[in-house]
Amino acid sequence: GEDVEQSLFLSVREGDSSVINCTYTDSSSTYLYWYKQEPGAGLQLLTYIFSNMDMKQDQRLTVLLNKKDKHLSLRIADTQTGDSAIYFCAEARRNFGNEKLTFGTGTRLTIIP
Amino acid sequence: SAVISQKPSRDICQRGTSLTIQCQVDSQVTMMFWYRQQPGQSLTLIATANQGSEATYESGFVIDKFPISRPNLTFSTLTVSNMSPEDSSIYLCSVEESGGTGYGYTFGSGTRLTVV
Repeated sequence: GEDVEQSLFLSVREGDSSVINCTYTDSSSTYLYWYKQEPGAGLQLLTYIFSNMDMKQDQRLTVLLNKKDKHLSLRIADTQTGDSAIYFCAEARRNFGNEKLTFGTGTRLTIIP
Repeated sequence: SAVISQKPSRDICQRGTSLTIQCQVDSQVTMMFWYRQQPGQSLTLIATANQGSEATYESGFVIDKFPISRPNLTFSTLTVSNMSPEDSSIYLCSVEESGGTGYGYTFGSGTRLTVV
């Protein structure tokens, strides 16, 4: 299908690791992105991974890519209250030479004190 | 990264009227994108706007309802025409960062539209 899928909700205790999963659809996607949306705000690019990579680490963030299964995950280490937000994965799809982003459904991360 | 100024940040409009949303970028960009985020939903691409050519609309979106202007490389507008309550959404503009795909896409802070 066309959808990029994510679990809708995730609750994590402060200090634990959060793992947000995403299943995408286009095996020819070049880049995959993770965006964060805080209440009332726009989208903030957190990190991205090129499709020929398996893993990318950036401070508290680790992205894992399983291209065979079209599965992407974002791990947030030592989750803090400021990490509460909706997280969207997005794949860059190319169609007739033009590229566009297709977003997942979004995962609302709630931090439990 | 590019800095995007999007106006208005929010508005409440009467049904049947139109609203024009502006997106100003602090650098020249080739492609600008307009998205809609309906309440509690993900982002859906409305159209892609290149300077000097007509916007390319995604399936389900038409120019008569969402006319777009792109007069130069730093500015674009999206108009939501003949509004109905179903048009209540957040509308966001986005640009592809210079350097290509790997640098990602930057988004404006969005326009929260409520149609009554």
